[in-house]
Amino acid sequence: DVKVTQSSRYLVKRTGEKVFLECVQDMDHENMFWYRQDPGLGLRLIYFSYDVKMKEKGDIPEGYSVSREKKERFSLILESASTNQTSMYLCASSFMGGRKGIGYTFGSGTRLTVV
Amino acid sequence: SQELEQSPQSLIVQEGKNLTINCTSSKTLYGLYWYKQKYGEGLIFLMMLQKGGEEKSHEKITAKLDEKKQQSSLHITASQPSHAGIYLCGAHSGTYKYIFGTGTRLKVLA
Repeated sequence: DVKVTQSSRYLVKRTGEKVFLECVQDMDHENMFWYRQDPGLGLRLIYFSYDVKMKEKGDIPEGYSVSREKKERFSLILESASTNQTSMYLCASSFMGGRKGIGYTFGSGTRLTVV
Repeated sequence: SQELEQSPQSLIVQEGKNLTINCTSSKTLYGLYWYKQKYGEGLIFLMMLQKGGEEKSHEKITAKLDEKKQQSSLHITASQPSHAGIYLCGAHSGTYKYIFGTGTRLKVLA
């Protein structure tokens, strides 16, 4: 039973394209997150949102923007894709303050290649 | 800022062997989470530890949090190829922020 769904598993885009990565969760979580994962660098937080229309920058927001118009959907936007944005992108969601003690629920990831 | 350091970075074991992965925090932990990631996929939540000295088990995986709440270990008994993947520890760092360890790649040889 999939609870956090990322729209694409694999994506290939050209340099300069505008790229949309979509994430949908069905657990009524308040918090949603976008991470990128690169070898040797681990998981790095790009943006997160703790409520509809609210967004906060993570550790590496440059070159990215996000949108959260509905509670269940959190979109990551690459305004003008560059080759250094080739990475695995992971979406996650959680209850506020880590309540219920179940940590984050992650999507399956989107492997983006920018050529 | 708080950091989580995992060791070892990678591990190759023969099927049936026991193994331990460590996660050390630079500050006191107020909730330590363990995740497993199969190669090329998302992370799966394994378990959460909150109290000093707490220990939890799920099938053949046992996780402990030390009394000082700065170090956690993940122990796998009688490893199987299905245990292969990347294991990450995670912890809350502030109200919304969350940090992850750098991960441990586990390979189990049949």
